[in-house]
Amino acid sequence: EVQLVESGGGLVQPGRSLRLSCAASGFTFDDYAMHWVRQAPGKGLEWVSGISWNSASIDYADSMKGRFTISRDNAKNSLYLQMNSLRGEDTALYYCAKAPSSSVNWYFDLWGRGTLVTVSS
Amino acid sequence: EIVMTQSPATLSVSPGERVTLSCRASQSVSSNLAWYQQQPGQAPRLLIYGASIRATGIPARFSGSGSGTEFTLTISSLQSEDFAVYYCQQYNNWPPYTFGQGTKLEIK
Repeated sequence: EVQLVESGGGLVQPGRSLRLSCAASGFTFDDYAMHWVRQAPGKGLEWVSGISWNSASIDYADSMKGRFTISRDNAKNSLYLQMNSLRGEDTALYYCAKAPSSSVNWYFDLWGRGTLVTVSS
Repeated sequence: EIVMTQSPATLSVSPGERVTLSCRASQSVSSNLAWYQQQPGQAPRLLIYGASIRATGIPARFSGSGSGTEFTLTISSLQSEDFAVYYCQQYNNWPPYTFGQGTKLEIK
């Protein structure tokens, strides 16, 4: 079955760090670019970061630059998001999403169910 | 950053009706526009890409049109499972990839 499964979310204090993971299965992971998209409670979708198949091309939304780091391990079919200096406004459901090609500049044709990050003291 | 604006925010319709949702871009995105459906408590699902191409497995009652700055998603005959939130997303100018704020389809 083609799927993405996120993990690593939880309750974290402001200023602390968290690392999210996304396990891919059912497709050739290293053929595709991958992204993180988040959704604050009751709000819309916000793109966070994207990475090409070979990690050569990486982009971030401005509010995440310098705090978040996206990475991937193609040998483990896994995508990661290291989140540092977390703020209350980072509270959201974080989705892992697959692009339909190896380059980042596309839409998202497969989504995971998300992992919830809550930043609160 | 390209701003995507969807209208209306909420639409109350009856099953079987035809409905059209709108999405406007603050500058041209060519045909690099996707539509997603999000059911309550679920992840978004890709419906349309390239402004008018249905994704795999999407019923023919869903259709997309437009180019440049004006786009529409039409559902020809609403089924009960179609009541959800719909988002448009541009992937022409990035980063960032930007979404509209969503249109919620409610049962009248």
